[in-house]
Amino acid sequence: EADIYQTPRYLVIGTGKKITLECSQTMGHDKMYWYQQDPGMELHLIHYSYGVNSTEKGDLSSESTVSRIRTEHFPLTLESARPSHTSQYLCASSEWLYRVPGRVRLFFGEGSRLTVL
Amino acid sequence: AQTVTQSQPEMSVQEAETVTLSCTYDTSENNYYLFWYKQPPSRQMILVIRQEAYKQQNATENRFSVNFQKAAKSFSLKISDSQLGDTAMYFCAFMKGDMRFGAGTRLTVKP
Repeated sequence: EADIYQTPRYLVIGTGKKITLECSQTMGHDKMYWYQQDPGMELHLIHYSYGVNSTEKGDLSSESTVSRIRTEHFPLTLESARPSHTSQYLCASSEWLYRVPGRVRLFFGEGSRLTVL
Repeated sequence: AQTVTQSQPEMSVQEAETVTLSCTYDTSENNYYLFWYKQPPSRQMILVIRQEAYKQQNATENRFSVNFQKAAKSFSLKISDSQLGDTAMYFCAFMKGDMRFGAGTRLTVKP
């Protein structure tokens, strides 16, 4: 349905490794988001961006970083992975509310499932 | 930050029956959007329905409708004629600058 892509879909790594989860969208959306979700549980906002060179912290941002150098790309980096980072990471994008009044929504990627041993 | 509360962790309904999922939120904003998203097992998030806070009329999408009570900060989802394919996690969400989700309600439709 949506043109938003996440890689890798699945990743198993050891503790202490640095990892980057990739997210790209081809819809030209200015706003992008990263959420962390344990299976069947609520979504926690990690980071979001209003556009190029904009990054904002969410509720679980302290152990990760993001960058927004290009509109279509919003990678999430864990500098030193820990078992507590084992989870699913969802990337999403949207237009600004004022650009699509009445039609605004989040488009989600398929998720990256991370396991840290 | 805005908070979204879904007080029903799990619900079940018989096929063809009607079920209502509850959602309340807390905000000082006047203009915002509310959403219900559906997440089937091991699948992507799907938009079910959307409501603009400045509209008094409740949104409807086929079998899905909402009861939006702005003063009470309540936003419930009604699913009519429930189908087996409606079995999923349902998340209520609030959008102003960012997008915040509730904890979800696991809905099971029984044959």
